Amino acid sequence: DQQVKQNSPSLSVQEGRISILNCDYTNSMFDYFLWYKKYPAEGPTFLISISSIKDKNEDGRFTVFLNKSAKHLSLHIVPSQPGDSAVYFCAAGRWDKIIFGKGTRLHILP
Amino acid sequence: GAGVSQTPSNKVTEKGKYVELRCDPISGHTALYWYRQSLGQGPEFLIYFQGTGAADDSGLPNDRFFAVRPEGSVSTLKIQRTERGDSAVYLCASSLSRSDIYNEQFFGPGTRLTVL
Repeated sequence: DQQVKQNSPSLSVQEGRISILNCDYTNSMFDYFLWYKKYPAEGPTFLISISSIKDKNEDGRFTVFLNKSAKHLSLHIVPSQPGDSAVYFCAAGRWDKIIFGKGTRLHILP
Repeated sequence: GAGVSQTPSNKVTEKGKYVELRCDPISGHTALYWYRQSLGQGPEFLIYFQGTGAADDSGLPNDRFFAVRPEGSVSTLKIQRTERGDSAVYLCASSLSRSDIYNEQFFGPGTRLTVL
């Protein structure tokens, strides 16, 4: 039973437009949520996080929104750039244990 | 500074053999994690070390899998009697301590294990 779900395996977005990646979770006990970005043949790299007591966290072009009542979070990237093409993993954590979604492959089109 | 390193980067072995995968965490990081990523999946938690001790090994799939971190730095993941289903990328990550609620984990590039 997947606790963290990314229902879109892939997403294509025009360069300069907004990319929105979505994630749903089932366990209301998670303390924090994270987004990781992964390039081929590399390990995931941390992108942005949000505490369960917040509803928004912004870092440059990246903003994460958390809707606890819907158990849903999203990552907004604006404007999208070619280097943003990668696989994005949503993850949820409690204490030191992190559970990852399956990932969404983002393609930024020229 | 040096990130998390993992060796070997690729390992091909035959069914039934024993393999060891090594992880060198970032210097000073007390927490170390092993994950397994199968094709089309996200990283799946295997085991977590705080210092030398395994604080949580609930993700190890069975008793063929074992991991050690004898001096609180380098860790080795050991897989006995490998099976074809063990084929995956094994990722190691480290973080400063368990007190960081955001638990930023720094990942290595992974070891791709192929069991023939």
